[in-house]
Amino acid sequence: QSVVTQPPSASGTPGQRVTISCAGSGSNIGRKNVNWYQQLPGMAPKLLIYSNDRRPSGVPDRFSGSKSGTSASLAISGLQSEDEADYYCATWDDSLNGAVFGGGTKVTVL
Amino acid sequence: QLQLQESGSGLVRPSQTLSLTCAVSGVSITTGGYTWTWIRQPPGKGLEWIGLIYHSGTAYYNPSLKSRVTISPDRSKNQFSLNLTSVTAADTAVYYCARSIGNDYQDFYYMDVWGKGTTVTVSS
Repeated sequence: QSVVTQPPSASGTPGQRVTISCAGSGSNIGRKNVNWYQQLPGMAPKLLIYSNDRRPSGVPDRFSGSKSGTSASLAISGLQSEDEADYYCATWDDSLNGAVFGGGTKVTVL
Repeated sequence: QLQLQESGSGLVRPSQTLSLTCAVSGVSITTGGYTWTWIRQPPGKGLEWIGLIYHSGTAYYNPSLKSRVTISPDRSKNQFSLNLTSVTAADTAVYYCARSIGNDYQDFYYMDVWGKGTTVTVSS
């Protein structure tokens, strides 16, 4: 049971907007930056969003991140078939003095 | 180009020690601003953070693994290692190493480059 919580699944049709939530607390998201990782089937995870809303070079701008209080969100606009993957939020937790991952959200393109 | 490559024993007996190495190429592990992290993923499950190390040797570990885990730098070989003692079947996973970036207070901390991962099975 992770200290940051994501929905296990999300879905949408091509072109739709999909949003994934990540709920935490004052010891983690409330005071630390949030990052998002994309894991395509059979592959290693890849950094998608860092420091709440920043995209690494090469990540399409249809991926966006935001944070408010003790929650964060990842939005995928213009959903494409290649976006079908598992998405993980992650942050640091001061109470645990370590990093934590959300349980992951499987995005399905219908 | 920065690359990380995990290697080590793919099969470990229960109660024994799991040992993995992450060879880093393209950047020195002593470069300021970077730390070095291990993450694992049990079959069909999510990601679990194991710990991170600074090139100085200062380390932070997952509290649930802290009594069994050691991460060490090897500056002469530009690599870092993971040792996990007293393993059980629950330690069966794909193990990833990654370069990480963060400040001293971990206000921001993220893994920007990952290795491909190596599968470790704990079985007699």
